[in-house]
Amino acid sequence: IAGITQAPTSQILAAGRRMTLRCTQDMRHNAMYWYRQDLGLGLRLIHYSNTAGTTGKGEVPDGYSVSRANTDDFPLTLASAVPSQTSVYFCASSDSGTSNTGELFFGEGSRLTVL
Amino acid sequence: GQNIDQPTEMTATEGAIVQINCTYQTSGFNGLFWYQQHAGEAPTFLSYNVLDGLEEKGRFSSFLSRSKGYSYLLLKELQMKDSASYLCASMDSNYQLIWGAGTKLIIKP
Repeated sequence: IAGITQAPTSQILAAGRRMTLRCTQDMRHNAMYWYRQDLGLGLRLIHYSNTAGTTGKGEVPDGYSVSRANTDDFPLTLASAVPSQTSVYFCASSDSGTSNTGELFFGEGSRLTVL
Repeated sequence: GQNIDQPTEMTATEGAIVQINCTYQTSGFNGLFWYQQHAGEAPTFLSYNVLDGLEEKGRFSSFLSRSKGYSYLLLKELQMKDSASYLCASMDSNYQLIWGAGTKLIIKP
């Protein structure tokens, strides 16, 4: 049973470098999400995708981009990392999109440190 | 603006009952979620309320009052494994989740 797989689990990155966090789900869920979690703050939505081929901006999209070429994969890219992007990143999915009344399934998280 | 308030930290004794409160202000309302998150792990779904009242699921219950913008999570017969953060989230009119910062629950023997 895989569910949602994120990679890498942890990464230290120099400022200015490009980084892609990978997310793959095997539940055939339509909707996928990227959140960041910082101490003392709630989960904040970066980008989302309600179905393959579509993406949308969340609460904190600046400095991040996503793509959704197929149902299973939803990579998050930091084009030029900055120290304020140091965080724990969670990918999540659900089996419905804008009419989401169901639960989110989360990956185990990717801890990113930008120096 | 949109806001979710919940206590930062609570302490309770093994075997006891604890109530974690959450107040919310969101643009529209499409339901209130509770998630559990153990340290260093991913959040996992506990409950969803969209109508007023109490939903019971084993040792955990969740209550919602839409008129008061208020919810609570009730944990009974506390076990050491219940030590975790509990996240409250409200779904707004755009079906986006607005998350609280979480309540860290510490269980003492």
